[in-house]
Amino acid sequence: AQSVTQPDIHITVSEGASLELRCNYSYGATPYLFWYVQSPGQGLQLLLKYFSGDTLVQGIKGFEAEFKRSQSSFNLRKPSVHWSDAAEYFCAVGAKDSSYKLIFGSGTRLLVRP
Amino acid sequence: GAVVSQHPSWVICKSGTSVKIECRSLDFQATTMFWYRQFPKQSLMLMATSNEGSKATYEQGVEKDKFLINHASLTLSTLTVTSAHPEDSSFYICSAEIPANYGYTFGSGTRLTVV
Repeated sequence: AQSVTQPDIHITVSEGASLELRCNYSYGATPYLFWYVQSPGQGLQLLLKYFSGDTLVQGIKGFEAEFKRSQSSFNLRKPSVHWSDAAEYFCAVGAKDSSYKLIFGSGTRLLVRP
Repeated sequence: GAVVSQHPSWVICKSGTSVKIECRSLDFQATTMFWYRQFPKQSLMLMATSNEGSKATYEQGVEKDKFLINHASLTLSTLTVTSAHPEDSSFYICSAEIPANYGYTFGSGTRLTVV
């Protein structure tokens, strides 16, 4: 069965600084990988996804992520964080078994210092 | 495109009553929908997968008699929390698989409070 680990419960960065959120997955085949962002009391917004091809994926809001098979990782990056990026970020892995389920990591809360 | 509308956004109910949450795909047909539960400051836990016209598949530990899921049409899935108790208070989110896109779209969630 697939699983996702986000080792950082929360991260604080200064506005304008770079950001990297870590995500490690466990799955026997090539996974489908996603990053979502959630503001308090809201649903989830897709930032980016990886299925195949180029391992560096560009997303919305200036985010990107790199799939590294050798490290089983799919870390999210942004070169310059804005105060509006403060939110909860979830990494998720999908697998086509009998149903197409998304399994989420525990999330990383991003705090942005002015 | 690929919008899912979830209603209500919040509901307060008395202990012992039942609550129905609706999830509608507005501009596409959703063969498969998913229901998640999220406790405060925690991740999303998959409760069940619903497929149009068939019984839902529940994850281990989820009481199927308590959380009734119906997916009677290609645009509507419902989750009914039966005989709700305070411990059922949570944030419930639905999701739909987007056809031919290998992606998912999420509803805005329902905050259920049982008093």
